[in-house]
Amino acid sequence: KNEVEQSPQNLTAQEGEFITINCSYSVGISALHWLQQHPGGGIVSLFMLSSGKKKHGRLIATINIQEKHSSLHITASHPRDSAVYICAARFSGTYKYIFGTGTRLKVLA
Amino acid sequence: DGGITQSPKYLFRKEGQNVTLSCEQNLNHDAMYWYRQDPGQGLRLIYYSQIVNDFQKGDIAEGYSVSREKKESFPLTVTSAQKNPTAFYLCASSLDHRHYNYGYTFGSGTRLTVV
Repeated sequence: KNEVEQSPQNLTAQEGEFITINCSYSVGISALHWLQQHPGGGIVSLFMLSSGKKKHGRLIATINIQEKHSSLHITASHPRDSAVYICAARFSGTYKYIFGTGTRLKVLA
Repeated sequence: DGGITQSPKYLFRKEGQNVTLSCEQNLNHDAMYWYRQDPGQGLRLIYYSQIVNDFQKGDIAEGYSVSREKKESFPLTVTSAQKNPTAFYLCASSLDHRHYNYGYTFGSGTRLTVV
């Protein structure tokens, strides 16, 4: 069964902390997305990756194909980073993405 | 700027009524998708369309219908047959669903409440 699991479900951090959100998936994938959902509900695509590492500003996404695991890191976290972060995997041989349930991040000033 | 527009942002419906959610994109994307989001669950695919005048059922299509008469538009109708329609609905598009290197662009969502 194609599954995507995220951890933790909820995360509270102090401003400036380094944050890691994890995503594990069950079988081989062709692509993995990290998405950000703000309280209003709109979703923004942060990264799409199939191997290695990508960086954009304070955000870093890594993926380990052998371990079937991806991480999203936020350096020098800020209250405006507070959102739900969602991992979505496109499993090999399929057309669609399977979405994790999300990690709710709250960064306190 | 290109993007996806969903309207309305909030929608209230009486039980037994059909309601149509709008999704319009000006990205020239071929593929469009409708997802449903419920608390504590990941997004689930309702319908998707690869090209004009073609669409396919997703995982939870029962009680929903769609049309794709124009490339830019992919409206979703929530019918009275949908037993639990209260949810947050997200529309997305991608250049071509066959090529996994193309990412998704999402709309801002419509929150539907049945009263």
